[in-house]
Amino acid sequence: GQNIDQPTEMTATEGAIVQINCTYQTSGFNGLFWYQQHAGEAPTFLSYNVLDGLEEKGRFSSFLSRSKGYSYLLLKELQMKDSASYLCAFMTTDSWGKLQFGAGTQVVVTP
Amino acid sequence: GAVVSQHPSRVICKSGTSVKIECRSLDFQATTMFWYRQFPKQSLMLMATSNEGSKATYEQGVEKDKFLINHASLTLSTLTVTSAHPEDSSFYICSAPPPTEEGDNSPLHFGNGTRLTVT
Repeated sequence: GQNIDQPTEMTATEGAIVQINCTYQTSGFNGLFWYQQHAGEAPTFLSYNVLDGLEEKGRFSSFLSRSKGYSYLLLKELQMKDSASYLCAFMTTDSWGKLQFGAGTQVVVTP
Repeated sequence: GAVVSQHPSRVICKSGTSVKIECRSLDFQATTMFWYRQFPKQSLMLMATSNEGSKATYEQGVEKDKFLINHASLTLSTLTVTSAHPEDSSFYICSAPPPTEEGDNSPLHFGNGTRLTVT
């Protein structure tokens, strides 16, 4: 079957680093994605990993290990505006663009 | 870059009525669009895949007669919630894969969502 897990909530202080872990199970894997979503808004694309390793994009980095079914999103130099839900999602080879999302991790940044 | 426009952004309707939500791809053609639903503090759940010129493909547990999807052109897909009930109150979001020439690796462009409240 298919499933995807990530923590429900994480709290960190401004300027700190937070790592959000995501584990998944699926067949026909075609990429792991991270989105940021503020309440009541559409998700915003953050990153895409299809090969093992680390992808860095400014303050955000994402890591993938296909053999372990594991990914993480690293948020550095946290800012108050980073308080949001972070969604982990994978795509299978069934259909390009068809994503299965995790439940999301609510990150709360405190002063 | 490619943009997906969704309308309306908010709608309130009475129980038993029907509501239509439109999803348009601007400046690009989308043969496939996806409709998601999100309940408060929950994740995006795929409802159906909308295919231009053919029937939509519904996910398990989604009633196709209640959630009517029409993809009559390469730039427009509509979702109609028929005989809406309070439990249908949710955030509905459409999405479409961008043109392949875009280089940002995002597999989807999302509309801004529709907040449906059924009273």
